[in-house]
Amino acid sequence: DTGVSQDPRHKITKRGQNVTFRCDPISEHNRLYWYRQTLGQGPEFLTYFQNEAQLEKSRLLSDRFSAERPKGSFSTLEIQRTEQGDSAMYLCASSRDLGDQPQHFGDGTRLSIL
Amino acid sequence: AQTVTQSQPEMSVQEAETVTLSCTYDTSENNYYLFWYKQPPSRQMILVIRQEAYKQQNATENRFSVNFQKAAKSFSLKISDSQLGDTAMYFCAFMKQGGMNRDDKIIFGKGTRLHILP
Repeated sequence: DTGVSQDPRHKITKRGQNVTFRCDPISEHNRLYWYRQTLGQGPEFLTYFQNEAQLEKSRLLSDRFSAERPKGSFSTLEIQRTEQGDSAMYLCASSRDLGDQPQHFGDGTRLSIL
Repeated sequence: AQTVTQSQPEMSVQEAETVTLSCTYDTSENNYYLFWYKQPPSRQMILVIRQEAYKQQNATENRFSVNFQKAAKSFSLKISDSQLGDTAMYFCAFMKQGGMNRDDKIIFGKGTRLHILP
């Protein structure tokens, strides 16, 4: 169990650029979640996958955001035409699909928009 | 919709003291889980303790225990014999219990920043 891995740890970009983050869940965890955490707030749910299927998307996930999980392994979260309000920590979590298993979180990717 | 409220933005206690963090929540669900997560500075979120709503007995994990009052929708965390390593942001969180249509996204409170002073 190597833990949930997220890459990069930090991303600084100019407004209007596209960014992509990657999350590698714990092996054999078939549920994968994305959360966003802004400064001074708790994490907010964005979307989740069971295997390769994206089962739910929050209203926070505007059409500039897209998430994928090809082959049910790693996941990517892409933000197009970034805006100042996108600055946040993006957290990934994974869990087993065996009853209500705890979610294990990664270190997060901190996005800063200049 | 579920909400989680933490009314203490920041707290400080001396090392070895006991501290209690407050949390209230609102839900119309009968079956759910409540959690306390710890997020140390620049480090990942880790689960401290978990409570199943159907259990009357309060959960404990070593120095960490909860006071779960289902009728009052209250879920406080007590840290005994606090240590410097307990310094972190603590989040109270809610999750519906699973079923055929599982909805296991976690709803977090805004957090309480806890400082343990030497």
